[in-house]
Amino acid sequence: QKEVEQDPGPLSVPEGAIVSLNCTYSNSAFQYFMWYRQYSRKGPELLMYTYSSGNKEDGRFTAQVDKSSKYISLFIRDSQPSDSATYLCAMSEGGYQKVTFGIGTKLQVIP
Amino acid sequence: SQTIHQWPATLVQPVGSPLSLECTVEGTSNPNLYWYRQAAGRGLQLLFYSVGIGQISSEVPQNLSASRPQDRQFILSSKKLLLSDSGFYLCAWKWDNEKLFFGSGTQLSVL
Repeated sequence: QKEVEQDPGPLSVPEGAIVSLNCTYSNSAFQYFMWYRQYSRKGPELLMYTYSSGNKEDGRFTAQVDKSSKYISLFIRDSQPSDSATYLCAMSEGGYQKVTFGIGTKLQVIP
Repeated sequence: SQTIHQWPATLVQPVGSPLSLECTVEGTSNPNLYWYRQAAGRGLQLLFYSVGIGQISSEVPQNLSASRPQDRQFILSSKKLLLSDSGFYLCAWKWDNEKLFFGSGTQLSVL
């Protein structure tokens, strides 16, 4: 079993739709959770950062962490064509422990 | 503000040739530095990380090596490239012990 599971997609949605992206993980010691957005042939860009369980909202983006279910989500409201990218979940135990990434979900928002 | 520079953006090299990729960070001191590789259809694989000058930890045995000759400089090298070394190479630095920030990446094609 992989430490972090993420559906690679691709996921195609119409412009304006609500997008839900998800990851599951097996390491209960993870307590820092991140979402990165990566455009083609570019470095990943940190989008959302959450510590422990709960929700965090930033504009059209909402990150949710459910540690009891070992499940994290990223919601994108009013999706735009510019949101078309690969979204990677990432998590860490903290300190000097390495960051573990999901494989990434490729999202296409169709105008 | 902190910035990370990585070059070149694209590199095509013949099998058996040497490799040197360089990464520098500005605006911070004593950063934790990382080299990742992203192969097509696969997630981000941690190759090396460094917590200080001359200190290198390797995550996977391979044909590559890393060095940190200066505080904010991280170099990825190979004496003889293999076909399997092709991929997208990313340098990153870690802030606040949790958040990873990536460079723009180098697309390496070994032919």
